[in-house]
Amino acid sequence: GQNIDQPTEMTATEGAIVQINCTYQTSGFNGLFWYQQHAGEAPTFLSYNVLDGLEEKGRFSSFLSRSKGYSYLLLKELQMKDSASYLCAVKGQNFVFGPGTRLSVLP
Amino acid sequence: DTGVSQDPRHKITKRGQNVTFRCDPISEHNRLYWYRQTLGQGPEFLTYFQNEAQLEKSRLLSDRFSAERPKGSFSTLEIQRTEQGDSAMYLCASSHKNTGELFFGEGSRLTVL
Repeated sequence: GQNIDQPTEMTATEGAIVQINCTYQTSGFNGLFWYQQHAGEAPTFLSYNVLDGLEEKGRFSSFLSRSKGYSYLLLKELQMKDSASYLCAVKGQNFVFGPGTRLSVLP
Repeated sequence: DTGVSQDPRHKITKRGQNVTFRCDPISEHNRLYWYRQTLGQGPEFLTYFQNEAQLEKSRLLSDRFSAERPKGSFSTLEIQRTEQGDSAMYLCASSHKNTGELFFGEGSRLTVL
């Protein structure tokens, strides 16, 4: 089976940096994906890792350690529009999503 | 626009009625997924297809739920004898087997009264 864990809520200040952690246990692994979901909207793809290490994509970076079953999403230079839920998903035989982390960016 | 489309966007029904949702994936995508999402939770996996074959179905899914993808293009998700606990957003997503990234539709919101 698969089990994915993320913090439920986080709060950060505009302009700051925030790190959202994800831990997982899975019977098969073909990649770890991060999605952003604004309230009432569908999830949109942010980043993914297949190999260990850091992937950088503008203000967003994602890190993976397969041996530790651990990933994080790093958001830099936070903006108010970054207030959203951030979903960690593991691709094994199918895609399984974590519970999501609701990020609130305060002025 | 060639994104994933879902229909209807909203459905209100009475308990005990049957409902059907349709999903049209991105045309070159051979994998299609159905998820259910309730407020404050992540998407919960229901089932997925590769072309017309249904490769996996969640054990959490009762016999009242059935999905088809008859020609490997669009898919339907039917819920029979709806219950109030079925109220949720039903999300469809598609991907190309080789790239893996999921593209989501806007979802079909079901309210069972």
